[in-house]
Amino acid sequence: DTEVTQTPKHLVMGMTNKKSLKCEQHMGHRAMYWYKQKAKKPPELMFVYSYEKLSINESVPSRFSPECPNSSLLNLHLHALQPEDSALYLCASSQDGGISGYTFGSGTRLTVV
Amino acid sequence: GDSVTQMEGPVTLSEEAFLTINCTYTATGYPSLFWYVQYPGEGLQLLLKATKADDKGSNKGFEATYRKETTSFHLEKGSVQVSDSAVYFCALSDQGNNRLAFGKGNQVVVIP
Repeated sequence: DTEVTQTPKHLVMGMTNKKSLKCEQHMGHRAMYWYKQKAKKPPELMFVYSYEKLSINESVPSRFSPECPNSSLLNLHLHALQPEDSALYLCASSQDGGISGYTFGSGTRLTVV
Repeated sequence: GDSVTQMEGPVTLSEEAFLTINCTYTATGYPSLFWYVQYPGEGLQLLLKATKADDKGSNKGFEATYRKETTSFHLEKGSVQVSDSAVYFCALSDQGNNRLAFGKGNQVVVIP
């Protein structure tokens, strides 16, 4: 298995809703990442988990809450989002801190209404 | 800090034309260099990589050579197809620090 799987592929949520994005990999990678990508822009790093511990938080608002239940799973809990949070959310994993590359999932297209 | 610079603007070319996308970088250490491709509505796919100076990465007819003397990693393909239409991102990872620095990306449109 050489994939990163993200669910759901599309999500529409209201500003008062609570939802979660899920990410799974079975490559044995020990680092997992959440990125946010706006249209026509490169991805922006949000969070990094290394060996199931949060190692990087890029000053992301608290309405985004990451969770790493085990070495294969990564969640992003969403609460009280704003319309400007609408974006493509990408999960990625790497074996060695990124030296040999990252594997990205296909993303969740989030729309906040 | 680490940074990647890609040539400005979209690239439009005819099928079977030669493609070059320029990429230069700034890094404090000895980075690994990557080209990622993003097709419409999809995530990023690793197209090719090079982990040390003078390495050549290649995949699907695309090539890029890690040039330390010019701090460059230009992407080339000899004969593009309509199916190569996508956004291409140059990126670097410096010393495995879990940070991937991206260029701004180039939209490539191949016309039949």
